[in-house]
Amino acid sequence: GENVGLHLPTLSVQEGDNSIINCAYSNSASDYFIWYKQESGKGPQFIIDIRSNMDKRQGQRVTVLLNKTVKHLSLQIAATQPGDSAVYFCAEKAYGQNFVFGPGTRLSVLP
Amino acid sequence: NAGVTQTPKFQVLKTGQSMTLQCAQDMNHNSMYWYRQDPGMGLRLIYYSASEGTTDKGEVPNGYNVSRLNKREFSLRLESAAPSQTSVYFCASVKGRNTEAFFGQGTRLTVV
Repeated sequence: GENVGLHLPTLSVQEGDNSIINCAYSNSASDYFIWYKQESGKGPQFIIDIRSNMDKRQGQRVTVLLNKTVKHLSLQIAATQPGDSAVYFCAEKAYGQNFVFGPGTRLSVLP
Repeated sequence: NAGVTQTPKFQVLKTGQSMTLQCAQDMNHNSMYWYRQDPGMGLRLIYYSASEGTTDKGEVPNGYNVSRLNKREFSLRLESAAPSQTSVYFCASVKGRNTEAFFGQGTRLTVV
């Protein structure tokens, strides 16, 4: 994965606002993408996935957008809550290859 | 269902000591993986097992060995621990192609 050093990018949002977390992926052959949430001291937890034949997928309070032209993935969280504070990272996968994980973005929800 | 279970949760080793990290999944998944997570970096693949009876090197295999004991269990062994192996280790399992990876809670390893 890409090495961005010791400090993760941080996104700070007010409670109740919408959050948008971005991810640039590297392999144009990737056809499956996942967003994970990782709380401090815990393992990554699946949030939502999307396949390359789609450009948008919605879950409960979350939406993933995929732009294959510019190899960009975003996660939108509606009405962000304190419990959403965590590190979020994307994963990409191409056929016959293993997952490649991004370094993550730390989401901080302000009261 | 417990999902993916890793033991131990924490471990401190002295340089040169050996240990085995255990992982078991109860979801009947075919593929299992070992990753390490270091500050500010994405998960890096150490070894994986695409199916029972097979294992392959990932991105950072040096200093590690693995055993796919059966379909449920996939262990990671450090034969001679080094400070550079201080990290958080995650085990994961996957059912099939284009399905999500399920992760364990991690093992925080410190080598002094």
